[in-house]
Amino acid sequence: AQTVTQSQPEMSVQEAETVTLSCTYDTSESDYYLFWYKQPPSRQMILVIRQEAYKQQNATENRFSVNFQKAAKSFSLKISDSQLGDAAMYFCAYRRTSGTYKYIFGTGTRLKVLA
Amino acid sequence: NAGVMQNPRHLVRRRGQEARLRCSPMKGHSHVYWYRQLPEEGLKFMVYLQKENIIDESGMPKERFSAEFPKEGPSILRIQQVVRGDSAAYFCASSPFTPQYSSYNEQFFGPGTRLTVL
Repeated sequence: AQTVTQSQPEMSVQEAETVTLSCTYDTSESDYYLFWYKQPPSRQMILVIRQEAYKQQNATENRFSVNFQKAAKSFSLKISDSQLGDAAMYFCAYRRTSGTYKYIFGTGTRLKVLA
Repeated sequence: NAGVMQNPRHLVRRRGQEARLRCSPMKGHSHVYWYRQLPEEGLKFMVYLQKENIIDESGMPKERFSAEFPKEGPSILRIQQVVRGDSAAYFCASSPFTPQYSSYNEQFFGPGTRLTVL
């Protein structure tokens, strides 16, 4: 069975600085998708970035980028130029490319942004 | 194009009562997923439905929980005889396409229903 692990329950970053959130996963599949979701206090799940496992190039979305290490089964999220609005829970998620397509989420990392 | 809608947003029930949570997927979406988020935890998959079919219910508790997605109307997650341990946020997500190998089908999440059992 696939699992997703986020080992940092909480992280803090100074405004305008850079922070990296860690995620590791376990799977025997060779093709899959990985995601980072942001959950602010409103609880709405907001997609931050996604990565297809067959792509070697790391995904980037504005200030958000990932470091995808397939062999190490690692998928970290880097937030550059942190803003107060980035404060939220961040969840890493895994999804197969076949089967029922359910997401498997990690336990989350609470990010605090300090002014 | 309205997003995924869930209602109610907040639901309070006493132990032993029934809870009905509704999810209206985005227009054109025929696949619905339900997830549960216990306090201070990540979302956990419960059930995956297509219109009139349950495709995967491997995450559903064996008793008291049921889900449906009728031909017309919203998807319903039903919890009978609620207990305090059912208190959680319940999220619905929908996706547009028939899943195909190596094609990306994003799930769009609703705002969730927070169930509180007294």
